[in-house]
Amino acid sequence: DTAVSQTPKYLVTQMGNDKSIKCEQNLGHDTMYWYKQDSKKFLKIMFSYNNKELIINETVPNRFSPKSPDKAHLNLHINSLELGDSAVYFCASSQGWTGSDEQFFGPGTRLTVL
Amino acid sequence: DAKTTQPPSMDCAEGRAANLPCNHSTISGNEYVYWYRQIHSQGPQYIIHGLKNNETNEMASLIITEDRKSSTLILPHATLRDTAVYYCIVFGGTGTASKLTFGTGTRLQVTL
Repeated sequence: DTAVSQTPKYLVTQMGNDKSIKCEQNLGHDTMYWYKQDSKKFLKIMFSYNNKELIINETVPNRFSPKSPDKAHLNLHINSLELGDSAVYFCASSQGWTGSDEQFFGPGTRLTVL
Repeated sequence: DAKTTQPPSMDCAEGRAANLPCNHSTISGNEYVYWYRQIHSQGPQYIIHGLKNNETNEMASLIITEDRKSSTLILPHATLRDTAVYYCIVFGGTGTASKLTFGTGTRLQVTL
């Protein structure tokens, strides 16, 4: 009965490959997010979707493309992977997108690009 | 850019109260104070949030000063499992302004 789940937990791949990370939430929330935590442990938001519509798009290379097939899913597709993409990626969800809506995070996907 | 200032690290003896301070002198009227923690490499865990009144839940208490420029997270009886990095975040508004911006946090070490 995990609230926010991500697959895979670990992903090791070669430079130049294309990969996807999946996220699902069973909380009935309307808003979902992707965050990146780099090797220095800084956690930064990448994207946010509300009711399947993009509402936040930080300065992220266009090799990263989020896809929201429905409110419960927000997948992250990465093209032409680079060494600098190695990080832990966290998915999160919240009921709304205002200051009073706490976010619930998934367990993370550790991506290693060789 | 994070809009909060926290000490980089703190120690606390198990069973004692852990008081984690946070300065947010530029907070605006519609922004909430949120606290999250991250245990080892797990996903951040929501702890508590408040606007201007003090708040308490089963995990912690949040004390916000009257001018809202600083706050304190209190873990009343710290245990070893509370060892984590604690993030104080100012968060509010809607639309593109509504995003969590994590700083470097406070690394709390609970010891025997």
